[in-house]
Amino acid sequence: TQLLEQSPQFLSIQEGENLTVYCNSSSVFSSLQWYRQEPGEGPVLLVTVVTGGEVKKLKRLTFQFGDARKDSSLHITAAQPGDTGLYLCAGAPSGYALNFGKGTSLLVTP
Amino acid sequence: DTAVSQTPKYLVTQMGNDKSIKCEQNLGHDTMYWYKQDSKKFLKIMFSYNNKELIINETVPNRFSPKSPDKAHLNLHINSLELGDSAVYFCASSQFAGGPSDTQYFGPGTRLTVL
Repeated sequence: TQLLEQSPQFLSIQEGENLTVYCNSSSVFSSLQWYRQEPGEGPVLLVTVVTGGEVKKLKRLTFQFGDARKDSSLHITAAQPGDTGLYLCAGAPSGYALNFGKGTSLLVTP
Repeated sequence: DTAVSQTPKYLVTQMGNDKSIKCEQNLGHDTMYWYKQDSKKFLKIMFSYNNKELIINETVPNRFSPKSPDKAHLNLHINSLELGDSAVYFCASSQFAGGPSDTQYFGPGTRLTVL
């Protein structure tokens, strides 16, 4: 099993602050995905990064795939309470089901 | 319209009982999955079906048996429930059988509590 390590595990910040979440592996992935899960719901896909060095932006969220395709980061600018949730990175080493990281639980307080 | 639905949303039962969780997707997808999310929020694949055929069967006790009567449905039956089975179980579906362009859509989860 190709492991995905996420850090930090928990993050509590105030509205308006910036933050970065990391997803690291010792293995190479053909692509990595980022999901957000809100309490009582299933994960929802935010983005898929495919090319090493790729940067994708989704409003205030910036996703980067490492050059060696072993790591990825998620940066949130000016966090808002609506960004609160569990952020999960995931990769599909065999092309089928996803291996998930253990998640970063983000709390943004007004 | 709900894309991936699961029933029940909550399930509380005694140790030793047998229970089933149902999942349906109306997206026309070929592949469906069962994931287990433990108390620490770790999400782990259990099974995957592609066009009603089992393609992934992770190290899961034999007490867990998936059944796919058709492409739109994937049910999970659990025999002789144990305390350690308490978790949230998520069903998901995707158009293909993986790959970078394949997006998985998750259901709302079934919270199973074994007493």
